[in-house]
Amino acid sequence: AQSVTQPDIHITVSEGASLELRCNYSYGATPYLFWYVQSPGQGLQLLLKYFSGDTLVQGIKGFEAEFKRSQSSFNLRKPSVHWSDAAEYFCAVGSSGAGSYQLTFGKGTKLSVIP
Amino acid sequence: EPEVTQTPSHQVTQMGQEVILRCVPISNHLYFYWYRQILGQKVEFLVSFYNNEISEKSEIFDDQFSVERPDGSNFTLKIRSTKLEDSAMYFCASGGLAGGNEQFFGPGTRLTVL
Repeated sequence: AQSVTQPDIHITVSEGASLELRCNYSYGATPYLFWYVQSPGQGLQLLLKYFSGDTLVQGIKGFEAEFKRSQSSFNLRKPSVHWSDAAEYFCAVGSSGAGSYQLTFGKGTKLSVIP
Repeated sequence: EPEVTQTPSHQVTQMGQEVILRCVPISNHLYFYWYRQILGQKVEFLVSFYNNEISEKSEIFDDQFSVERPDGSNFTLKIRSTKLEDSAMYFCASGGLAGGNEQFFGPGTRLTVL
């Protein structure tokens, strides 16, 4: 069964500092990997995705993530955090192949930003 | 930009009552999903739907739950007899093409069962 681990429940960074949110996955085949962001009271917005190809993927709002197969990781990074980035971030894995697929989410990492 | 919409944003119901949560997926998408998030917990998959039938469902999606696409645009989740533990945020999502394409989520419906 697929699973996702986000080891950090809550991270606090200063505005302008760099950010890395960790994500490890467990999946038997080539995974499809995603990062979503959820602001309070809002739905889930897709930040970026990895399906295949270049292991460094760029997303919206200046975020990027790197797929490392050897470490089963898909960490999210941003070089300079803005106060508006404060939210909860979810890593998710989806099965590959044709048709519909279910996403398995991690428990999320809550990001707080100090002005 | 097209988006998934959900109504109502908040539903309060008494235990044992039936509720229907409604979603309008993105119009050219083929795959439809329901997820739920109990307060403070992670988002969990409930069911996927394609070509007017369920593709996959989780253990959570028992006989109390059903889904329907009644008119080609709406996608509904029905809970027949709600329990206190059904209180959660319910998210609808839709996806476009064959496997691997991203799922776009709606803003969610908060269900409170009293």
